[in-house]
Amino acid sequence: NAGVTQTPKFRILKIGQSMTLQCAQDMNHNYMYWYRQDPGMGLKLIYYSVGAGITDKGEVPNGYNVSRSTTEDFPLRLELAAPSQTSVYFCASSAYNEQFFGPGTRLTVL
Amino acid sequence: KNEVEQSPQNLTAQEGEFITINCSYSVGISALHWLQQHPGGGIVSLFMLSSGKKKHGRLIATINIQEKHSSLHITASHPRDSAVYICAPLTQGGSEKLVFGKGTKLTVNP
Repeated sequence: NAGVTQTPKFRILKIGQSMTLQCAQDMNHNYMYWYRQDPGMGLKLIYYSVGAGITDKGEVPNGYNVSRSTTEDFPLRLELAAPSQTSVYFCASSAYNEQFFGPGTRLTVL
Repeated sequence: KNEVEQSPQNLTAQEGEFITINCSYSVGISALHWLQQHPGGGIVSLFMLSSGKKKHGRLIATINIQEKHSSLHITASHPRDSAVYICAPLTQGGSEKLVFGKGTKLTVNP
């Protein structure tokens, strides 16, 4: 099993550009999450999903959108990138309370 | 006040020393994760516990649900233990959502 995979690993965006961070898991987990990690701060939940077709906002959803059309995939969309979205983004999936994290995407918005 | 407080924020030890990292939380939880993050690396769950004590090799985690407190101990610390350790309670409510402490940066010198 590949576990949780994320692409890209690194990305630099200009202010106002848009992009999609990809996340996939092959463990057939219903629960999936997007977090951001800023220096000196704890991880913050952006969006989560409890199954295909069901998503909900987390603590810091502004500026982001998600969709969950399949169990495997949970992409995160940034529509109008802003410098405040410079961060490391982690995707995770969960089953029976065990969480598995992807390797992260380091995003810089200039 | 943060929902999850970890101490210390930074910890430097000599190889072989006994390490303790503490976590206090204010939310109702169903379980608690201790996570490890190496520099520039991904996040892995070391333990998930809901009561008592768990041991994996040189790592021991304890939790006191009544006192809302958990500790992570490392016996005979080694330079490869150098990482950030994150306390992450699993909130009640069925969506398996984590809240996160800011992490403890551990450096073990040879």
